[in-house]
Amino acid sequence: AQSVAQPEDQVNVAEGNPLTVKCTYSVSGNPYLFWYVQYPNRGLQFLLKYITGDNLVKGSYGFEAEFNKSQTSFHLKKPSALVSDSALYFCAVRSGYNTDKLIFGTGTRLQVFP
Amino acid sequence: DADVTQTPRNRITKTGKRIMLECSQTKGHDRMYWYRQDPGLGLRLIYYSFDVKDINKGEISDGYSVSRQAQAKFSLSLESAIPNQTALYFCATSDLSGKFNEQFFGPGTRLTVL
Repeated sequence: AQSVAQPEDQVNVAEGNPLTVKCTYSVSGNPYLFWYVQYPNRGLQFLLKYITGDNLVKGSYGFEAEFNKSQTSFHLKKPSALVSDSALYFCAVRSGYNTDKLIFGTGTRLQVFP
Repeated sequence: DADVTQTPRNRITKTGKRIMLECSQTKGHDRMYWYRQDPGLGLRLIYYSFDVKDINKGEISDGYSVSRQAQAKFSLSLESAIPNQTALYFCATSDLSGKFNEQFFGPGTRLTVL
C-alpha cells in the first residue's frame, strides 16, 4: 500500500536560514508525490509535485523539493525562510496508478522565528 | 481557493443531529472529494466522486453519506452526529483531463459535535 511519513511534528527555523521539511514514501510502482501548505483558517494549497524527470522540483513561493529514489524521500526545501512561511505542511502520494486519490502524511508545522 | 466554497464554515451541533455540509465549485472539475482533518492524523478521505453518477467510499466512510447533485455540487451528510466526528472537513476537486493533476481545496468547515 502507498504511504508517506513526515517524521517531524514541528520544525523551527530562524528567518533567513534554509529550511527543510522531511517526507519519506513507500509505494509500489512509480511515485507521484505532492506538497501542500495550510495557512491558519485556510484550506490546503498546492505547492509542487513530482511526477517524473528532474529530481529537483520547483514550486510556489520559492519552495522546492528534492526527490531521492534511493532514500525514498521527497524533502521540501527553501533557501531562505520567511516568517510568513509559518504554516502546516503536508506531503502526499497518489494512492495508485491512474487515480487522483491522495494519501496524506500527518503534517509538519513549520515555525519561522524573526 | 475561492473557486471551491464550503458552507457552513463553522457548525456546532449536538449528538444525534443530522448535519449536511455543502461544497460548490466553479472550476468545472469532474472529480470531487471529502476529507476530514484531525490533529496528528493528517487528512483522511471520506468519499470521492469522479462524476455525477459515480460515488465511492474512502478510507473512513462509516457514519457519513454523500450526494453529488450536479457536477459543481457535492454534499456530505452525517446522519446522526457523534462527538468523534468533531473535526475540520475539507472538500477538494481535481480535473479529469490530466492524469497527474493536483487537487484544489475549499476553506474547510469546522464541525463540533457536543
